Amino acid sequence: ETGVTQTPRHLVMGMTNKKSLKCEQHLGHNAMYWYKQSAKKPLELMFVYNFKEQTENNSVPSRFSPECPNSSHLFLHLHTLQPEDSALYLCASSQSAGEPADTQYFGPGTRLTVL
Amino acid sequence: ILNVEQSPQSLHVQEGDSTNFTCSFPSSNFYALHWYRWETAKSPEALFVMTLNGDEKKKGRISATLNTKEGYSYLYIKGSQPEDSATYLCALWRDDKIIFGKGTRLHILP
Repeated sequence: ETGVTQTPRHLVMGMTNKKSLKCEQHLGHNAMYWYKQSAKKPLELMFVYNFKEQTENNSVPSRFSPECPNSSHLFLHLHTLQPEDSALYLCASSQSAGEPADTQYFGPGTRLTVL
Repeated sequence: ILNVEQSPQSLHVQEGDSTNFTCSFPSSNFYALHWYRWETAKSPEALFVMTLNGDEKKKGRISATLNTKEGYSYLYIKGSQPEDSATYLCALWRDDKIIFGKGTRLHILP
């Protein structure tokens, strides 16, 4: 166990649905991240939150909307997704963002399928 | 475009044999390189973080070296075991974020 949990582990949704992914870290970290892993592509950074403030939006479409109510919780709200958004979505946390040598601790991911 | 390249993409190794694979990256403005192990259906797990040219880190049968001047890192596994089967990711710190390679998928054959 890495101390980072994600729910749900699997999600199937239609293009008109609204759903949310949840991430929680029990490590006392101040930075949290959303990554996307598509088939045959490297992990792609989507969003970074540092001390609850969004510090990075890596050109992510507005149909993905992150929320960080506190340093332990991170959500990814999904709305009118496209089939090409089907992927594994990973959450991670670290002591703080912006430190090159800080290790990121990952959750197990949510496997999302958009029909 | 910043590329972190890993080779080979996939590797089959007989149990008990030793193996190694490579992570290549642009050598300019180096700060840190991370190695992760990612087993199927589990979370990526941190192995090493390397910051200095010539760094060598070791964790049990796994070790890693770093050459920042020429822009590469090697990961070595000695005496492969079935539990070593996983995808090994390297990630370069650049522009205030981590850039991941596609990984090397290691299969250990019994």
